[in-house]
Amino acid sequence: GAVVSQHPSWVICKSGTSVKIECRSLDFQATTMFWYRQFPKQSLMLMATSNEGSKATYEQGVEKDKFLINHASLTLSTLTVTSAHPEDSSFYICSARDQGVSSYEQYFGPGTRLTVT
Amino acid sequence: AQSVTQPDIHITVSEGASLELRCNYSYGATPYLFWYVQSPGQGLQLLLKYFSGDTLVQGIKGFEAEFKRSQSSFNLRKPSVHWSDAAEYFCAVARPRSGGYNKLIFGAGTRLAVHP
Repeated sequence: GAVVSQHPSWVICKSGTSVKIECRSLDFQATTMFWYRQFPKQSLMLMATSNEGSKATYEQGVEKDKFLINHASLTLSTLTVTSAHPEDSSFYICSARDQGVSSYEQYFGPGTRLTVT
Repeated sequence: AQSVTQPDIHITVSEGASLELRCNYSYGATPYLFWYVQSPGQGLQLLLKYFSGDTLVQGIKGFEAEFKRSQSSFNLRKPSVHWSDAAEYFCAVARPRSGGYNKLIFGAGTRLAVHP
C-alpha cells in the first residue's frame, strides 16, 4: 500500500515551452501533497505544499508563477513548469501524506527528470 | 533555522560489514527525526523515525538509529550490510507541531556503495 506515482518519469523539452508533471496517490487519499526539487548530488528542497481544493503554499524563493501547482482531487496534484529554461532542469519529486495516518508520514513518488534544452 | 548535516558524502563498505551513517541536526528543541533511502528509479522510502520515547529506534531492512540529544545526532546503523543496501540515504527533520504538518528538511545525503 501507500504508493505514489509520477508521470512522466523523464521529459525533455525545449526552452520556452511548458511541462506538466503529475503526481498520484494510487491507494490512499492525500489532502496534502508536496513538491521537491533535487539537484545532482544534493538534497531535496521543498518547493511547495499543495492542499486539495486550495492554493499551494510556496517556499521562499520559489516563483509561483513559474511553477504552477494544482491539487484538484484527493489523489492528484500537478506541477507545471512554465516557460522552462535550462536552469529548470532538475529532478522533481512529489510526496503525499495519507490523511488517515500520522501527520508526518509522507510517501514519495519515484521522481521526474526534466531536461530543458 | 533548522538544518541537517550528513558529514559523509560517500561511504564504501564490504558486504557483511557493519555500517554507521552519521546525521547531526541543528534545532532549538528535539525535532522529529527520519531516515529515508533512495534507490534509482524508486521513491524515497522511510526506514525509521523518531518522535519521542526510546532513543534506539528499530526500522525496516534491519536498520536502527539512535537519538543522542547531547550530540544532536541521529546516526543510522546496520550490523551486516547486504549488497542490496547500496543506495542514497537521507536524514531529515521536522518541527513538532500538534495536529498538523511541518515540512521535512533533508540532509545532503550519503551515497553507500557495497563491495562484494
